[in-house]
Amino acid sequence: QMQLQESGPGLVKPSETLSLTCTVSGGSISSYYWSWIRQPPGKGLEWIGYIYYSGSTNYNPSLKSRVTISVDMSKNQFSLKLNSVTAADTAVYYCARDRISGYDSDWFDPWGQGTLVTVSS
Amino acid sequence: DIQMTQSPSSLSASVGDRVTITCRASQSISSYLNWYQQKSGKAPKLLIFAASSLQSGVPSRFSGSGSGTDFTLTISSLQPEDFATYYCQQSSSTPLTFGGGTKVEIK
Repeated sequence: QMQLQESGPGLVKPSETLSLTCTVSGGSISSYYWSWIRQPPGKGLEWIGYIYYSGSTNYNPSLKSRVTISVDMSKNQFSLKLNSVTAADTAVYYCARDRISGYDSDWFDPWGQGTLVTVSS
Repeated sequence: DIQMTQSPSSLSASVGDRVTITCRASQSISSYLNWYQQKSGKAPKLLIFAASSLQSGVPSRFSGSGSGTDFTLTISSLQPEDFATYYCQQSSSTPLTFGGGTKVEIK
C-alpha cells in the first residue's frame, strides 16, 4: 500500500524559503502526477501545484512566482520550495498522489499525514 | 479560476439520518468533481471521484451525483464515524480548486 510522508522544518522565518520533501513508499513515483496542497489553520484547502515524474509542472497562478516543485526519481521523492514566505503561508502542507499518466482527471489519493509549517521570526 | 461553493457550511444531524451536501461550480465542469472527508487533525480522504464513483474501501452509504454545475454528496444513514468536514474539488481545469467545506456535527 502506497504511503507518503512529508518532511522538513516546522518553523521558517519571514522572507526565507520554505522547503519540504515528500517520500513515497510502497510504490514507484513513475507514471503519476504528484501534488502539494496546503491548509491554513482552521481554513480550507488550497492546491499549490503538481509535478509529473518526468519533471513537467503546473502551478497555481496565485503562488506561481514563488513556487518550485521538483522530483528525484532515484530517491522516490518530490519536493516543494516556496520563497519569500510571510505569515500568510503558515499552514499544514500535504503531499498527495495525483492522476496517472494518460488520464485527464485529477483527484488526490493517497495523502501524506501533513506537516505544519509556521512562518514566524 | 473555477469557484466551488458548498452548502451548507455546517449542519447538525443524528446517527441514522440521511445527509445531503451540495457543491456548485461557477461554470460547467462536466463530471470532474471529487469529494473528500477530513477528520480533525487528519489528512483528507478521497470518498468519491468523477462525481459518482465510489473509491475502493469507502462504505456504500456514501454516494455522489450531479454533472455540469450542481453536485450532491449523500450519506444514506449517518454513522458516528462520519462526523467530519467534507470538501468538494473540481478537476476540470487548473488551478484545481476546493469548496469551502461542510462540517457535519452531532445533533
